[in-house]
Amino acid sequence: NAGVTQTPKFQVLKTGQSMTLQCAQDMNHNSMYWYRQDPGMGLRLIYYSASEGTTDKGEVPNGYNVSRLNKREFSLRLESAAPSQTSVYFCASSEQGGSYNEQFFGPGTRLTVL
Amino acid sequence: DQQVKQNSPSLSVQEGRISILNCDYTNSMFDYFLWYKKYPAEGPTFLISISSIKDKNEDGRFTVFLNKSAKHLSLHIVPSQPGDSAVYFCAASETGQGAQKLVFGQGTRLTINP
Repeated sequence: NAGVTQTPKFQVLKTGQSMTLQCAQDMNHNSMYWYRQDPGMGLRLIYYSASEGTTDKGEVPNGYNVSRLNKREFSLRLESAAPSQTSVYFCASSEQGGSYNEQFFGPGTRLTVL
Repeated sequence: DQQVKQNSPSLSVQEGRISILNCDYTNSMFDYFLWYKKYPAEGPTFLISISSIKDKNEDGRFTVFLNKSAKHLSLHIVPSQPGDSAVYFCAASETGQGAQKLVFGQGTRLTINP
C-alpha cells in the first residue's frame, strides 16, 4: 500500500506557465482534497471532491482548477502560475466526507513560481 | 479570520517531561477535532482525534482534552521523547457537510531536548 502519492516532488515555474499536480490514492477512499501550506499559516483547503464525479471549492480556490479523474486520482491545475502560488501543496484522502474519520496526506509538492 | 488558532509557534520540553500543546477555535459548529504531526519534507500524519460528544480521548502517550465552553483543546504528550520533535497542527471540521473540510491552525514546533 503506497497510500497517497503525489508527483512531482519539486517544480519551478515561470510566471504565466501552467502545470498539473497529480495525486493518487490506493486506499479506496471516496473523498479527496488539495491543500496548500504557507509559512505561519498552516494548511488551507483549495478544492475537494467528496466523491467521484463531484468537486467543490475550498477556502482558497482562486487560480486553480481540479479534476477527479476517477476514484483513485485527483489532479490540481494551475493555468497561469503567479508568484503568490509559491507554496507546498498537499493532497489528502479520506474514507468518506462528513464523518468522523481522518484524512491521509501525501508527501507534498514544493512549487516555486519565479 | 482565523477560525483555529495555535498561539504558540514553538515549544521546548525536556525529554521525559510532559508536553502540552494548545489550540483555540471560534466556530461553534465545529464538532470534530484532530491533531496531526508533521516532520520536515513529509506530509502531515494523523495522531489523535476527538468528537464534541467527549471531553477526553487517550491513545498511549497522547491525550487530547476538549473544553467546549472555552472552545479550547489541548494535546498532552507524556512522557515526551526525542522522536516527538515535529510540528503539530490542530484541525477542526463540521461533520454532516458531505465532505470533511478541515480548518487548520498555524502549527506549533515542538522540540524535545535530551
